[in-house]
Parts: sequence; structure tokens; C-alpha cells
Amino acid sequence: DVKVTQSSRYLVKRTGEKVFLECVQDMDHENMFWYRQDPGLGLRLIYFSYDVKMKEKGDIPEGYSVSREKKERFSLILESASTNQTSMYLCASSFSTPIGKNIQYFGAGTRLSVL
Amino acid sequence: SQQGEEDPQALSIQEGENATMNCSYKTSINNLQWYRQNSGRGLVHLILIRSNEREKHSGRLRVTLDTSKKSSSLLITASRAADTASYFCAPLGAGGTSYGKLTFGQGTILTVHP
Repeated sequence: DVKVTQSSRYLVKRTGEKVFLECVQDMDHENMFWYRQDPGLGLRLIYFSYDVKMKEKGDIPEGYSVSREKKERFSLILESASTNQTSMYLCASSFSTPIGKNIQYFGAGTRLSVL
Repeated sequence: SQQGEEDPQALSIQEGENATMNCSYKTSINNLQWYRQNSGRGLVHLILIRSNEREKHSGRLRVTLDTSKKSSSLLITASRAADTASYFCAPLGAGGTSYGKLTFGQGTILTVHP
């Protein structure tokens, strides 16, 4: 079975702190994604990566950065956490090919509270 | 990528009844996927239907696709309390290099009462 592991289920941080959310997948997937999920807003894509060291902005990249130094690991970084970044963060991964598949496998999520 | 819009926003039924959720999208697709999310957890892929398919089954799930109406429906038959979850559709746009980006709507919240 595909496994996508997020480093923390719950995280509490202070405003202004630098926060790292880690995601690891064990299926050799090329693509990895970071979403945030908020009530009434659904899932919104923050960043994605289609290869090592490659990254693309999603719909809401402001206030975030990412790092992908190894194929299996995709990190989301909140450079200076703010209260409006309190949210559920979800990581996902998928194969690039064959086109027409692209099923995404999700981690269990990290619920981040910024105080 | 394009977003699917689920309807209704919420659905409440009794155990044993069928549940139908709908999804609409705007442009041509390569495939359309349905996912389930249990409360406070990640999404789980349920079923994928390609643009050249009209109907697909998986256990108690039946998905239909009407590309002329740009819509899909997910039917869960003989529902169980364990089916209580949010359900999302995710159309994958046709053409170009999307890197498999999917855009999820707000989902349908299904509650199945014992």
C-alpha cells in the first residue's frame, strides 16, 4: 500500500515562529502536493513539485515556501507563522505517468494552530 | 486544472438508503476522480472514471459521467453509518502538462444515521 506520512498530527506554534511541515512518501512518486483545508473553503493548493528540486506555486503560495531535496520528501515551510495560517495541512503524492491516472494519495493531515 | 463543484453541500439519510452526490465541471476532462474524507483525516481515492467511460462500479459505489452535460454522479447503495464522510470530485483537465494537479471543491458532507 502507498504510504504518505506527515510528521505531526497536531502542532501548536507561536506567531512569528518558523514552522516546518514534513511529508514523506514511499512509492517513488514524482509529484507531491501541499494543500490547506479550511471550513467553507475546501482544499486549496499551496505548492506542488513534479521532480526533485522543482516546485510550482499553487493557488495560495503567499507566506509559504517548499523544499524538495529528495524524491520521497516534500517540506512546507512557514517562514514567519501568522494566526491566519491556522489550518489543516494535507500532503499528497502521485505518479506523473501514465497520463490519465494521476491518483493522489494523501497523508493523515497536520492540524496547525498558530497562537 | 479545473474545479469540480459538488451538490448538494450536505446530505442526511438513514442507514440502508441510497446516497447520490453530483459534480459539475466547466471544461474538457481527461478523467474525473472521487475521493472520501473522514472527519479530521486525509482524503482517500475511491474511483476514477475516464472521459470515454459512461459508468463505473466499485463495490457499493456507482459513478456515472455525462461529458455532454459536464457532470458526474456518485451513488452509494445500501449506505452504512461508516459511509459518513465528506465526498469530493476532482476533474483532471484534458491536454497540456498539468503534473496531475487536481482542484477540489468544497465537497458533499454525507451523514448516515443508524
